[in-house]
Amino acid sequence: GQQVMQIPQYQHVQEGEDFTTYCNSSTTLSNIQWYKQRPGGHPVFLIQLVKSGEVKKQKRLTFQFGEAKKNSSLHITATQTTDVGTYFCAGRNAGNNRKLIWGLGTSLAVNP
Amino acid sequence: DTEVTQTPKHLVMGMTNKKSLKCEQHMGHRAMYWYKQKAKKPPELMFVYSYEKLSINESVPSRFSPECPNSSLLNLHLHALQPEDSALYLCASSPPLQFEGRGAFFGQGTRLTVV
Repeated sequence: GQQVMQIPQYQHVQEGEDFTTYCNSSTTLSNIQWYKQRPGGHPVFLIQLVKSGEVKKQKRLTFQFGEAKKNSSLHITATQTTDVGTYFCAGRNAGNNRKLIWGLGTSLAVNP
Repeated sequence: DTEVTQTPKHLVMGMTNKKSLKCEQHMGHRAMYWYKQKAKKPPELMFVYSYEKLSINESVPSRFSPECPNSSLLNLHLHALQPEDSALYLCASSPPLQFEGRGAFFGQGTRLTVV
C-alpha cells in the first residue's frame, strides 16, 4: 500500500541552528500537508502544497514539494525554543483524493 | 484558541461502561473526522463524515460508533472498550474532503484511559 516515509525520526538542535525534515512517498501525490504538534497538544495545520516544484515560506519555515510530487521538505531557519514539537507530513495519493497518508513525524528538540 | 471544541478533555472508563465523546465546530466545515492517536505516533483515521453522512469507516471495531446529528456536531459513542483503546481521540473538521487548499482543524482531543 501507499507509504509516506519521514526522516529523521528525532532531531536535537541548539537554538539558532537550522532544521530540516523530509518526506518521501512511494507513489505520486496530489498534494501534501504539513502539521505541527506541540508536546501534549493537538496537530495544527501549517500548509498544503499542490503544485510540482512548489516552494512556500512562512517566516522562518520553508516548505518544498518535489518536481515529481513524491517528496517534500520542511526547513526551519534559526530554530527557536517555540519550534519544539513533532512535525508531520501527510500526503494524498494522486489516485484517491479522500484519505491522507501520514508520515511518522519528526520530533524536534531545541536546546536554549 | 482552537475552533474545534471537544469534550471531555479527559475520560477514564471501565470496560463495561458506555460513554460518548463530543465535538463541535462553527466554521461551516462540511467534513468532520475522528482520529485516534497513540503516543509518539501520527493520527490514525477512524471515520469521515461528509455533509453529515458517513463516507469513510476505516474498519473500526463496532465498539466505536460515530454519529453526526448536524453539520456542527460530531459524537463518538464508546461501549465495551479494551485497555488497548486508551489513546488521544481527536476530532477534526475541514472544507469538504480537504480539496480547498486548507487542511484540517483539530480539536484539543479527549485523552481516554480504559481501565
